[in-house]
Amino acid sequence: DQQVKQNSPSLSVQEGRISILNCDYTNSMFDYFLWYKKYPAEGPTFLISISSIKDKNEDGRFTVFLNKSAKHLSLHIVPSQPGDSAVYFCAAISTGTASKLTFGTGTRLQVTL
Amino acid sequence: ETGVTQTPRHLVMGMTNKKSLKCEQHLGHNAMYWYKQSAKKPLELMFVYSLEERVENNSVPSRFSPECPNSSHLFLHLHTLQPEDSALYLCASSQDRRGGETQYFGPGTRLLVL
Repeated sequence: DQQVKQNSPSLSVQEGRISILNCDYTNSMFDYFLWYKKYPAEGPTFLISISSIKDKNEDGRFTVFLNKSAKHLSLHIVPSQPGDSAVYFCAAISTGTASKLTFGTGTRLQVTL
Repeated sequence: ETGVTQTPRHLVMGMTNKKSLKCEQHLGHNAMYWYKQSAKKPLELMFVYSLEERVENNSVPSRFSPECPNSSHLFLHLHTLQPEDSALYLCASSQDRRGGETQYFGPGTRLLVL
């Protein structure tokens, strides 16, 4: 059973607009969440993270929102740029148990001109 | 060279072959990981090493054999693989195994088993 789900396999957004990537999780023990970005022929690179004690974390154009009651997080990219075109993976972990990082299947973002 | 490197980047092997994947991290980290990424599936953790000791093996078939000779190097020895083992194999490292530590990934080895 997939504990981290990214239900949209792909998303297309116009340059300059907002990109919103969604992620849902089922394990209530998860308390730390990360977003990774992956370009073709490269490994995933860390983008931004959020602890469950927060509901928002911002880093430049990237903001992650966490809704613990809904077990939902989202990544907002504003404004979207062509270089943001990549696959975005959501990941979650239960820090208290040193459990493994659990990944979603990824969402492919295409930013068009 | 910086970060996490993996060689080879691409590998084609027959089911009777023996090959090894190599990973090297230049970050001074103490934990290293092997992941498998198959098409349309989440990254699957295969092995975790912390301070050169294997601490987790997620029920991976014995045809995959990891080796961690020191904290900077990690190998994945492959033998008698199956076509369904074709995938992208990613190595990652983190400062230690505490939950929440960011993992840094290598570029991966794309493996095709014929």
